[in-house]
Amino acid sequence: AQSVTQLGSHVSVSEGALVLLRCNYSSSVPPYLFWYVQYPNQGLQLLLKYTSAATLVKGINGFEAEFKKSETSFHLTKPSAHMSDAAEYFCAVSDSLDSGYALNFGKGTSLLVTP
Amino acid sequence: KAGVTQTPRYLIKTRGQQVTLSCSPISGHRSVSWYQQTPGQGLQFLFEYFSETQRNKGNFPGRFSGRQFSNSRSEMNVSTLELGDSALYLCASSFTGGKNEKLFFGSGTQLSVL
Repeated sequence: AQSVTQLGSHVSVSEGALVLLRCNYSSSVPPYLFWYVQYPNQGLQLLLKYTSAATLVKGINGFEAEFKKSETSFHLTKPSAHMSDAAEYFCAVSDSLDSGYALNFGKGTSLLVTP
Repeated sequence: KAGVTQTPRYLIKTRGQQVTLSCSPISGHRSVSWYQQTPGQGLQFLFEYFSETQRNKGNFPGRFSGRQFSNSRSEMNVSTLELGDSALYLCASSFTGGKNEKLFFGSGTQLSVL
Protein backbone atom coordinates (compact mmCIF):
# COMPACT_ATOMS: atom_id res chain seq x y z
CA ALA A 1 0.00 0.00 0.00
CA GLN A 2 1.12 3.50 -0.72
CA SER A 3 1.26 5.98 2.13
CA VAL A 4 2.32 9.49 3.06
CA THR A 5 3.82 10.96 6.20
CA GLN A 6 3.42 14.58 7.17
CA LEU A 7 6.16 15.97 9.37
CA GLY A 8 4.87 18.36 11.99
CA SER A 9 1.30 18.29 13.21
CA HIS A 10 1.40 22.03 13.88
CA VAL A 11 3.22 24.77 12.03
CA SER A 12 3.14 28.44 12.99
CA VAL A 13 4.28 31.25 10.72
CA SER A 14 4.01 35.00 10.73
CA GLU A 15 1.89 36.75 8.18
CA GLY A 16 4.04 37.38 5.11
CA ALA A 17 6.52 34.63 5.93
CA LEU A 18 7.26 31.53 3.89
CA VAL A 19 4.97 28.56 4.41
CA LEU A 20 6.57 25.10 4.22
CA LEU A 21 4.53 21.99 4.97
CA ARG A 22 6.35 18.69 4.65
CA CYS A 23 5.14 15.46 3.12
CA ASN A 24 7.06 12.28 2.34
CA TYR A 25 5.59 9.38 0.42
CA SER A 26 6.16 5.67 0.34
CA SER A 27 5.41 4.03 -2.95
CA SER A 28 6.84 1.25 -5.07
CA VAL A 29 5.33 2.76 -8.21
CA PRO A 30 5.15 6.33 -9.48
CA PRO A 31 2.71 7.97 -7.12
CA TYR A 32 -0.21 10.29 -7.70
CA LEU A 33 0.04 12.85 -4.92
CA PHE A 34 -2.37 15.48 -3.70
CA TRP A 35 -2.58 18.32 -1.23
CA TYR A 36 -5.97 19.15 0.25
CA VAL A 37 -6.93 21.95 2.64
CA GLN A 38 -9.69 21.87 5.24
CA TYR A 39 -11.06 25.05 6.73
CA PRO A 40 -12.93 24.88 10.04
CA ASN A 41 -16.28 23.13 9.80
CA GLN A 42 -15.84 22.43 6.12
CA GLY A 43 -14.92 19.55 3.88
CA LEU A 44 -11.64 19.18 2.04
CA GLN A 45 -10.70 21.21 -1.00
CA LEU A 46 -8.02 20.27 -3.51
CA LEU A 47 -5.03 22.61 -3.57
CA LEU A 48 -2.97 20.80 -6.18
CA LYS A 49 -2.02 17.39 -7.50
CA TYR A 50 1.05 15.74 -8.99
CA THR A 51 0.56 13.55 -12.01
CA SER A 52 4.14 13.18 -13.35
CA ALA A 53 3.68 15.82 -16.04
CA ALA A 54 5.89 18.30 -14.17
CA THR A 55 7.81 18.12 -10.91
CA LEU A 56 6.81 21.62 -9.85
CA VAL A 57 3.06 21.86 -9.45
CA LYS A 58 1.21 25.11 -9.01
CA GLY A 59 -2.09 25.14 -7.20
CA ILE A 60 -4.72 27.52 -6.00
CA ASN A 61 -4.26 30.41 -3.59
CA GLY A 62 -0.56 30.80 -4.43
CA PHE A 63 0.50 27.36 -3.20
CA GLU A 64 2.90 25.11 -5.03
CA ALA A 65 4.60 21.79 -4.40
CA GLU A 66 7.70 20.14 -5.78
CA PHE A 67 7.96 16.41 -6.40
CA LYS A 68 11.42 15.11 -5.53
CA LYS A 69 11.85 11.45 -6.30
CA SER A 70 15.33 11.26 -4.77
CA GLU A 71 13.94 12.48 -1.46
CA THR A 72 10.48 10.84 -1.82
CA SER A 73 9.02 14.20 -0.91
CA PHE A 74 6.19 16.43 -2.01
CA HIS A 75 6.44 19.49 0.21
CA LEU A 76 3.91 22.30 -0.02
CA THR A 77 5.09 25.91 -0.08
CA LYS A 78 3.74 29.42 -0.33
CA PRO A 79 6.07 32.43 -0.50
CA SER A 80 4.01 34.72 1.70
CA ALA A 81 1.47 33.55 4.27
CA HIS A 82 -1.87 35.25 4.63
CA MET A 83 -4.17 35.11 7.63
CA SER A 84 -6.74 33.30 5.51
CA ASP A 85 -4.29 30.41 5.00
CA ALA A 86 -4.88 29.22 8.55
CA ALA A 87 -6.35 25.75 8.13
CA GLU A 88 -5.60 22.02 8.24
CA TYR A 89 -3.54 20.71 5.34
CA PHE A 90 -3.51 17.11 4.22
CA CYS A 91 -1.14 15.34 1.91
CA ALA A 92 -2.56 12.27 0.19
CA VAL A 93 -1.55 9.52 -2.21
CA SER A 94 -3.82 7.60 -4.53
CA ASP A 95 -3.61 3.96 -3.49
CA SER A 96 -4.54 1.07 -5.73
CA LEU A 97 -7.25 -1.20 -4.42
CA ASP A 98 -8.82 -4.34 -5.82
CA SER A 99 -11.14 -2.48 -8.14
CA GLY A 100 -10.02 1.10 -8.18
CA TYR A 101 -8.39 3.68 -6.03
CA ALA A 102 -8.76 5.46 -2.72
CA LEU A 103 -6.84 8.27 -1.12
CA ASN A 104 -4.50 7.52 1.76
CA PHE A 105 -4.16 10.70 3.77
CA GLY A 106 -1.44 11.89 6.06
CA LYS A 107 -2.33 12.88 9.61
CA GLY A 108 -2.55 16.51 8.63
CA THR A 109 -0.69 19.69 9.54
CA SER A 110 -2.47 22.53 11.24
CA LEU A 111 -1.18 25.87 9.98
CA LEU A 112 -1.40 28.86 12.29
CA VAL A 113 -0.71 32.31 10.87
CA THR A 114 0.09 35.06 13.36
CA PRO A 115 -0.14 38.79 12.69
CA LYS B 1 -23.29 23.95 -10.09
CA ALA B 2 -24.22 22.59 -6.69
CA GLY B 3 -21.50 20.97 -4.64
CA VAL B 4 -21.60 17.76 -2.67
CA THR B 5 -24.40 17.89 -0.15
CA GLN B 6 -24.42 15.88 3.04
CA THR B 7 -27.30 15.59 5.46
CA PRO B 8 -27.75 15.92 8.30
CA ARG B 9 -24.97 18.24 9.37
CA TYR B 10 -25.02 17.04 12.98
CA LEU B 11 -26.29 13.90 14.65
CA ILE B 12 -26.39 12.78 18.24
CA LYS B 13 -27.06 9.13 18.96
CA THR B 14 -26.65 6.74 21.85
CA ARG B 15 -24.74 3.50 21.94
CA GLY B 16 -26.50 0.61 20.29
CA GLN B 17 -28.57 2.73 17.95
CA GLN B 18 -28.15 2.84 14.23
CA VAL B 19 -27.75 5.84 11.95
CA THR B 20 -28.09 6.67 8.27
CA LEU B 21 -26.17 9.46 6.59
CA SER B 22 -26.96 10.84 3.17
CA CYS B 23 -24.81 12.23 0.39
CA SER B 24 -25.82 13.87 -2.89
CA PRO B 25 -22.87 14.08 -5.30
CA ILE B 26 -22.20 16.71 -7.90
CA SER B 27 -24.38 16.25 -10.94
CA GLY B 28 -22.71 13.89 -13.39
CA HIS B 29 -20.43 12.29 -10.84
CA ARG B 30 -20.89 8.55 -10.61
CA SER B 31 -18.30 7.70 -7.96
CA VAL B 32 -19.05 8.38 -4.31
CA SER B 33 -16.57 7.68 -1.54
CA TRP B 34 -16.95 7.89 2.21
CA TYR B 35 -14.25 8.79 4.71
CA GLN B 36 -14.21 8.85 8.49
CA GLN B 37 -12.27 11.65 10.16
CA THR B 38 -11.26 11.49 13.81
CA PRO B 39 -8.61 13.39 15.77
CA GLY B 40 -6.76 10.19 16.59
CA GLN B 41 -6.91 8.23 13.35
CA GLY B 42 -7.20 11.09 10.87
CA LEU B 43 -8.94 10.46 7.57
CA GLN B 44 -9.72 6.84 6.81
CA PHE B 45 -11.34 5.38 3.72
CA LEU B 46 -14.62 3.59 4.36
CA PHE B 47 -15.90 2.56 0.94
CA GLU B 48 -16.55 3.67 -2.59
CA TYR B 49 -19.59 3.22 -4.78
CA PHE B 50 -19.77 3.42 -8.54
CA SER B 51 -22.87 2.80 -10.62
CA GLU B 52 -24.80 1.47 -7.62
CA THR B 53 -22.10 -1.10 -6.78
CA GLN B 54 -19.65 -1.09 -3.93
CA ARG B 55 -16.37 -1.15 -5.74
CA ASN B 56 -13.94 -0.80 -2.83
CA LYS B 57 -14.04 -1.15 0.92
CA GLY B 58 -11.70 0.01 3.63
CA ASN B 59 -10.79 -1.76 6.81
CA PHE B 60 -13.94 -1.19 8.83
CA PRO B 61 -16.25 -3.70 10.52
CA GLY B 62 -19.42 -4.92 8.89
CA ARG B 63 -21.47 -2.53 11.03
CA PHE B 64 -20.54 0.07 8.44
CA SER B 65 -22.43 -0.32 5.21
CA GLY B 66 -23.66 1.79 2.38
CA ARG B 67 -25.49 1.89 -0.88
CA GLN B 68 -25.84 3.99 -3.96
CA PHE B 69 -28.98 4.77 -5.88
CA SER B 70 -29.52 5.10 -9.60
CA ASN B 71 -29.19 8.89 -9.37
CA SER B 72 -25.76 8.40 -7.73
CA ARG B 73 -26.95 9.59 -4.34
CA SER B 74 -25.46 7.52 -1.59
CA GLU B 75 -26.24 6.58 1.97
CA MET B 76 -24.09 5.04 4.62
CA ASN B 77 -25.41 3.18 7.62
CA VAL B 78 -23.77 2.40 10.91
CA SER B 79 -25.51 -0.16 13.09
CA THR B 80 -25.02 -0.89 16.78
CA LEU B 81 -23.22 2.37 17.36
CA GLU B 82 -20.18 2.47 19.61
CA LEU B 83 -18.59 5.44 21.33
CA GLY B 84 -15.64 5.15 18.99
CA ASP B 85 -17.87 5.80 16.00
CA SER B 86 -18.04 9.45 16.97
CA ALA B 87 -16.45 11.23 14.03
CA LEU B 88 -16.88 13.52 11.09
CA TYR B 89 -18.08 11.48 8.13
CA LEU B 90 -17.11 12.95 4.81
CA CYS B 91 -18.53 12.09 1.45
CA ALA B 92 -16.63 12.80 -1.76
CA SER B 93 -17.61 12.48 -5.38
CA SER B 94 -15.83 12.35 -8.72
CA PHE B 95 -16.69 11.43 -12.28
CA THR B 96 -15.35 7.89 -12.30
CA GLY B 97 -13.14 7.47 -9.25
CA GLY B 98 -9.99 7.28 -11.33
CA LYS B 99 -6.48 7.35 -9.93
CA ASN B 100 -5.84 10.94 -10.82
CA GLU B 101 -9.26 12.41 -10.31
CA LYS B 102 -9.98 15.33 -8.06
CA LEU B 103 -12.35 14.49 -5.25
CA PHE B 104 -15.03 16.99 -4.32
CA PHE B 105 -15.88 16.78 -0.65
CA GLY B 106 -19.01 17.67 1.22
CA SER B 107 -18.93 19.50 4.54
CA GLY B 108 -19.54 16.28 6.39
CA THR B 109 -21.88 14.90 9.01
CA GLN B 110 -20.64 15.24 12.58
CA LEU B 111 -21.80 12.16 14.49
CA SER B 112 -21.64 12.10 18.27
CA VAL B 113 -22.33 8.83 20.05
CA LEU B 114 -23.19 9.16 23.73
